[in-house]
Amino acid sequence: GAGVSQSPSNKVTEKGKDVELRCDPISGHTALYWYRQSLGQGLEFLIYFQGNSAPDKSGLPSDRFSAERTGGSVSTLTIQRTQQEDSAVYLCASSYPGLAGYQFFGPGTRLTVL
Amino acid sequence: AQRVTQPEKLLSVFKGAPVELKCNYSYSGSPELFWYVQYSRQRLQLLLRHISRESIKGFTADLNKGETSFHLKKPFAQEEDSAMYYCALKETSGSRLTFGEGTQLTVNP
Repeated sequence: GAGVSQSPSNKVTEKGKDVELRCDPISGHTALYWYRQSLGQGLEFLIYFQGNSAPDKSGLPSDRFSAERTGGSVSTLTIQRTQQEDSAVYLCASSYPGLAGYQFFGPGTRLTVL
Repeated sequence: AQRVTQPEKLLSVFKGAPVELKCNYSYSGSPELFWYVQYSRQRLQLLLRHISRESIKGFTADLNKGETSFHLKKPFAQEEDSAMYYCALKETSGSRLTFGEGTQLTVNP
């Protein structure tokens, strides 16, 4: 089947605007993760969803960031009032429960805030 | 809090030479360690896991709990090994991965 998909692949926005990034995990993967990849910063964990459990939001950098996962499948990461420091590649990954270390990554969304 | 350190941002070797990408971690429990790789214009993907003690594409990595290290090694580097390599740690009871900053490996002809 298809791998993890993300849209859009690129997003350019103006400072202060809101953006929504979408992730479609692999079918059957109940665990879904969002990461941020910045130059020289590695991958920064943002949020984790597992089934119907409450998400682990401990990595969200500020209250401008939020995410939801509808129907246990598609997830949307929303950044409100974007700032230039939000510019990065946002990666989504999914995995089977119990195999959290074996994550399948999407191609990412490159966000540029002008 | 757990932390993963990859001291080399850039590493350059010649084809056929041995290569070692360093990874050190700090974590009070028993971690699971992984190496992920991202080839140019491809997705980030799992390369190997310490629990499986496998060799993938000629790469091996041994978890050294005494030195809290999980270095990635290959005896004879190939040009197609050029990529960004990330070391990652998973806590015993958790699901999130903590990644290092990555090492960009270049294998020259």
